[in-house]
Amino acid sequence: EVQLVQSGAEVKKPGESLKISCKGSGYSFTSYWIGWVRQMPGKGLEWMGIIYPGDSDTRYSPSFQGQVTISADKSISTAYLQWSSLKASDTAMYYCAREGGLCWGQGTLVTVSS
Amino acid sequence: DVVMTQSPLSLPVTLGQPASISCRSSQSLVYSDGNTYLNWFQQRPGQSPRRLIYKVSNRDSGVPDRFSGSGSGTDFTLKISRVEAEDVGVYYCMQGTHFPLTFGGGTKVEIK
Repeated sequence: EVQLVQSGAEVKKPGESLKISCKGSGYSFTSYWIGWVRQMPGKGLEWMGIIYPGDSDTRYSPSFQGQVTISADKSISTAYLQWSSLKASDTAMYYCAREGGLCWGQGTLVTVSS
Repeated sequence: DVVMTQSPLSLPVTLGQPASISCRSSQSLVYSDGNTYLNWFQQRPGQSPRRLIYKVSNRDSGVPDRFSGSGSGTDFTLKISRVEAEDVGVYYCMQGTHFPLTFGGGTKVEIK
């Protein structure tokens, strides 16, 4: 069974760093792009960026370029989304999704509050 | 970026009645390989999105046949032939032809 399992909810303070993860199983992790999607409270879905774990080719949506870093460790079939300095406006649910959107993770809720 | 415009924003429907959601893109979604990468997703309250339709009109496995997709170029439609209670949620179109990938703003389907 194809699965993406994300790390658990996080509560952070503004200015702190954070790295959340998305572990793939049931398929060849290096053969499919994995994307990250933001959903702010009560709002719609926004593509942040996408990575090809086979060669770490990464593309960012212009709105998120420079704001986050997407990476992957193919040895453990895991993709990451990280922030170096969180803001309150980063409070959202973050989903990973496999290329094409057939498979999604369960979401990671990130809350940034002083 | 390709802008995806969905309408209506909200769609109250009587159980058993049909529903239709429109999605328009700011440029053609036909890719160089001849495919049109337009997908439809359903997001039920408190759940991750679920893909219903890929490449305009292909239903994913396990998706009831009351859901259908159609369209071409820049104009696309998702139809539910007879709405059931489990169809309540927000529906999104998404284009995968051009980077960055983009979603429509969503259509909330609710029961009257």
